[in-house]
Amino acid sequence: NSKVIQTPRYLVKGQGQKAKMRCIPEKGHPVVFWYQQNKNNEFKFLINFQNQEVLQQIDMTEKRFSAECPSNSPCSLEIQSSEAGDSALYLCASSLSNTGQLYFGEGSKLTVL
Amino acid sequence: AQSVTQPDARVTVSEGASLQLRCKYSYSATPYLFWYVQYPRQGLQMLLKYYSGDPVVQGVNGFEAEFSKSDSSFHLRKASVHWSDSAVYFCAVSGGYKVVFGSGTRLLVSP
Repeated sequence: NSKVIQTPRYLVKGQGQKAKMRCIPEKGHPVVFWYQQNKNNEFKFLINFQNQEVLQQIDMTEKRFSAECPSNSPCSLEIQSSEAGDSALYLCASSLSNTGQLYFGEGSKLTVL
Repeated sequence: AQSVTQPDARVTVSEGASLQLRCKYSYSATPYLFWYVQYPRQGLQMLLKYYSGDPVVQGVNGFEAEFSKSDSSFHLRKASVHWSDSAVYFCAVSGGYKVVFGSGTRLLVSP
């Protein structure tokens, strides 16, 4: 069972609407990743954090996507204006360090109509 | 930049048969290598990892993988598959805080 908790499991939005997903990393894990997994199972890295600071993010995240990992609150990923191409499974993962051993949540499946 | 290639999108094997899922990676430095499995409606779980040392690493549920620096490969193996092994398997390479995944291999185990 995942110790990384993602909510909601499913969300349905219309084009142009906001979509917000949350993630509680495994306790004690300072590094958090967000990935987008499309219907072909391909992973696209979006952003990662160490504690509250952004380590890396892609251009897509810098424009319509925003994310944060405040202390003592869940991490979140928000799409300001959803597009059909944003329909995907959004996976959050946490890690103890930079070794790449990730612990994943079950994902938030976004459908944009 | 690192990259991962899983050349087989789909593999079908009979229950009890042996299995090999292929993975080729590209990374300029010594990589950290992983295999993850994704069961339906579940998150990814790590099967095994390679950091250094013995090139054959053992994982959960009878899986093992072999690292080859000369071939830039990290193939996953299992001696005898069970129907419950049906899932999507992902190879991943890590460098620093960047983790890159392959496109996955869907394994179907037939009775």
